[in-house]
Amino acid sequence: NAGVTQTPKFQVLKTGQSMTLQCAQDMNHEYMSWYRQDPGMGLRLIHYSVGAGITDQGEVPNGYNVSRSTTEDFPLRLLSAAPSQTSVYFCASSYSSPTYNEQFFGPGTRLTVL
Amino acid sequence: GQQVMQIPQYQHVQEGEDFTTYCNSSTTLSNIQWYKQRPGGHPVFLIQLVKSGEVKKQKRLTFQFGEAKKNSSLHITATQTTDVGTYFCASRAQAAGNKLTFGGGTRVLVKP
Repeated sequence: NAGVTQTPKFQVLKTGQSMTLQCAQDMNHEYMSWYRQDPGMGLRLIHYSVGAGITDQGEVPNGYNVSRSTTEDFPLRLLSAAPSQTSVYFCASSYSSPTYNEQFFGPGTRLTVL
Repeated sequence: GQQVMQIPQYQHVQEGEDFTTYCNSSTTLSNIQWYKQRPGGHPVFLIQLVKSGEVKKQKRLTFQFGEAKKNSSLHITATQTTDVGTYFCASRAQAAGNKLTFGGGTRVLVKP
């Protein structure tokens, strides 16, 4: 199993550009989520999904869109990049079971917005 | 919304000493998870606690879940340089469904 994969690893954008961060998992996990981590900070939940076709907002959803058309993929779209979105983005997945829901994280995407 | 507070934010530890990091919530938690993130890496799952008063050990790490399920602690004995990193707690509040949120983390630096 590849686990959770994220592409790209690094990205530089100009203010106003749009892009999609890709996330895929091959563990048949129902739950997938996106977090952002700013330097020296914790993980803040952007959006999450409990299954294909179902998404919901986290703590900091503004400026981001998600969709979940398949179990495997959960892309994060930046609509119009702003310098405040400079961060490291982590995708994570897990089973939805209340007793077996260890989160597996991808390696992260380091995004810089100029 | 649900907030999970972690203290301390930073912990400088002499190699060989013990330390404890705490995770506190104002709401009752369904369960609590602990993760470790090495510098430059991604968070890696350590353990999950579910039951009130639960205590679990992993070698030098001891995890506790409070009786009221509103707080948790991670105690590391005889700290080693391999313990360097940031330790996060993460939880789902009983009223918040599946949404998992993380505390701010405790960043641990070890002095050899």
